[in-house]
Amino acid sequence: GAGVSQTPSNKVTEKGKYVELRCDPISGHTALYWYRQSLGQGPEFLIYFQGTGAADDSGLPNDRFFAVRPEGSVSTLKIQRTERGDSAVYLCASSFGAALPYNEQFFGPGTRLTVL
Amino acid sequence: KNEVEQSPQNLTAQEGEFITINCSYSVGISALHWLQQHPGGGIVSLFMLSSGKKKHGRLIATINIQEKHSSLHITASHPRDSAVYICAVPPTRGSSNTGKLIFGQGTTLQVKP
Repeated sequence: GAGVSQTPSNKVTEKGKYVELRCDPISGHTALYWYRQSLGQGPEFLIYFQGTGAADDSGLPNDRFFAVRPEGSVSTLKIQRTERGDSAVYLCASSFGAALPYNEQFFGPGTRLTVL
Repeated sequence: KNEVEQSPQNLTAQEGEFITINCSYSVGISALHWLQQHPGGGIVSLFMLSSGKKKHGRLIATINIQEKHSSLHITASHPRDSAVYICAVPPTRGSSNTGKLIFGQGTTLQVKP
C-alpha cells in the first residue's frame, strides 16, 4: 500500500471500555504523528514518534491515553476507561523525518471513535 | 488568541470565481502547510512552503515569513473544490523543528455551479 492506513475506520464503544486504534505509516517514514479532530474543529496534536520513541507526547490529554510504536513502524493508540468526550476522529500521519525538507506529513483516513 | 488563525471561516463562491483564504500565525516556523479535507475526513497535503510562492494547477500558495501570513488562492473555482482548507504550522523550538503541526480551524469552502 502506498499510503497511511488506519484501522478500524469506525469504532463504537461504551463508556468505560478500552480501545486500541492502529496506524500503518508509509514504508520508510521514521516520523509518525497522532492527532485528534473533534466535530467542526481543526485537528489537535496528541503525540509524535521518531522511530520507536515518543519524541513529544505533550498533546496527550491525560494518562488514559497511551501510544506505542515498538518496531518503529506500526503504531497503536490506546485509550483506557473511555469517556464520551473522547469521541472524535483520530488521525495518523507519517513523514520521512521531522526537519525540513523531509517533514511533509501524509495523513491516513482516520478512525472515527464514538463513545456511547 | 489561537496560534494559527484562518479567515474566512466559511466561504461560498460561484463557479469560476477567484478565491482567497488567509492564514496568520503567531509562532516561529520553518514552513507552513496547506491541507485539504473532504467530507468523510481524509486529509490531503496541498502545499508545504517556507518562502515565496508555489503553484499546482489552479492552486497558488504564498507566504510572507516576516509578516507571519500565508494565503491560498484558487483560480477558476469549480464545485469539486468544495472542501475544508486547513493551514497548519510546525512550530520551531530554537532552531529545531518539533515535528508536530498546529492547525487552524479550517475554512469551509462551497463552490456552487
